Amino acid sequence: GAVVSQHPSWVICKSGTSVKIECRSLDFQATTMFWYRQFPKQSLMLMATSNEGSKATYEQGVEKDKFLINHASLTLSTLTVTSAHPEDSSFYICSARSLLAGGPNTQYFGPGTRLTVL
Amino acid sequence: QKEVEQNSGPLSVPEGAIASLNCTYSDRGSQSFFWYRQYSGKSPELIMFIYSNGDKEDGRFTAQLNKASQYVSLLIRDSQPSDSATYLCAVGSGGSNYKLTFGKGTLLTVNP
Repeated sequence: GAVVSQHPSWVICKSGTSVKIECRSLDFQATTMFWYRQFPKQSLMLMATSNEGSKATYEQGVEKDKFLINHASLTLSTLTVTSAHPEDSSFYICSARSLLAGGPNTQYFGPGTRLTVL
Repeated sequence: QKEVEQNSGPLSVPEGAIASLNCTYSDRGSQSFFWYRQYSGKSPELIMFIYSNGDKEDGRFTAQLNKASQYVSLLIRDSQPSDSATYLCAVGSGGSNYKLTFGKGTLLTVNP
């Protein structure tokens, strides 16, 4: 139980294009999902918290107009990197909070999406 | 500023030994504590969570929590080369969104 998927697993795009990443909770409903970014040899950096049916809450320093988050259902959240640039190249990982397994704070991570912007 | 501190390592242990990973946190209001394992190039995988003071055992893993000392640890018994990974300590402080604050992780290497 508590399986989270992400799609795509990797993407290469040209500078200036937009990229959409999907995060799905496969066997549970997730009212809250989180989006993280991880640069090589660094720890996870929380970008935003996504609540179903409401606007995402962004961490300080994260541009909400650049990283668009939509959480339209209890099993799907999307992150769109708009006008991507090489400095946006990173490992993007989503997580979902399950109320059924592991207690209220437990986050289960998707496999991640590796974005490379040329 | 909530902080979670971990020794970055690398921590090197021989196969079959006990690996001990430590973590301290700054927020006394923290309510939940997690250990995740992250292999190189992969996303974090939940190993254990603990909410109450004391020990919690799951197979070869034991989590220990001491809220008075703001300290949480993970013991891995009979370490295997497949345990070689970065171990992330994460602390939850409640609130409506239940955000987690992650440490930078400790790199563990188990030598055959």
